[in-house]
Amino acid sequence: GGIITQTPKFLIGQEGQKLTLKCQQNFNHDTMYWYRQDSGKGLRLIYYSITENDLQKGDLSEGYDASREKKSSFSLTVTSAQKNEMAVFLCASSIEGGSYEQYFGPGTRLTVL
Amino acid sequence: AQSVTQPDARVTVSEGASLQLRCKYSYFGTPYLFWYVQYPRQGLQLLLKYYPGDPVVQGVNGFEAEFSKSNSSFHLRKASVHWSDWAVYFCAVSMPGGYKVVFGSGTRLLVSP
Repeated sequence: GGIITQTPKFLIGQEGQKLTLKCQQNFNHDTMYWYRQDSGKGLRLIYYSITENDLQKGDLSEGYDASREKKSSFSLTVTSAQKNEMAVFLCASSIEGGSYEQYFGPGTRLTVL
Repeated sequence: AQSVTQPDARVTVSEGASLQLRCKYSYFGTPYLFWYVQYPRQGLQLLLKYYPGDPVVQGVNGFEAEFSKSNSSFHLRKASVHWSDWAVYFCAVSMPGGYKVVFGSGTRLLVSP
């Protein structure tokens, strides 16, 4: 079996700050995803990556950048944190695309003061 | 564009009783459908998945779901709920060959003694 690791577990930032979230997977999966989870709103896709060095925008990409320099890692940057923002960011991977099961990490919980 | 509706934000069931969680999807064609479960402070885990074929799909821990093309539904069922089933359940849909997965807003299952 494999595992997805997300760091940090908790992230506290200030308004306007640039914040980076990291995700590592050892499944050797091609496709990786970043989702934002807000209470009562389900998961919304921010970015996904089909393979190393590929980036595709999701429905919620404004205000975020992403980077996939290695097959095993996928990072997400909040370009300017919004005051009172609170959400959980979930990283996931799958063998190849949305037809296959996604494996999720435990999440990074963001709080902006 | 595909979409998923989970009409019940919260469902309460007595331990030992049967369960049905509802999911309606919107997609032109036959999609791939998934049910995921999220236990407290964890990422999502796959319960079961539907690929075109037998409309009744068996999953882990006694869960099953039935695909209905005529009703555009993929409801989740369990014959006898256990206290450990207390979690949030997400229905998801993807297009064959696509990369995006669209999630519903989730249904929180509460189990009463």
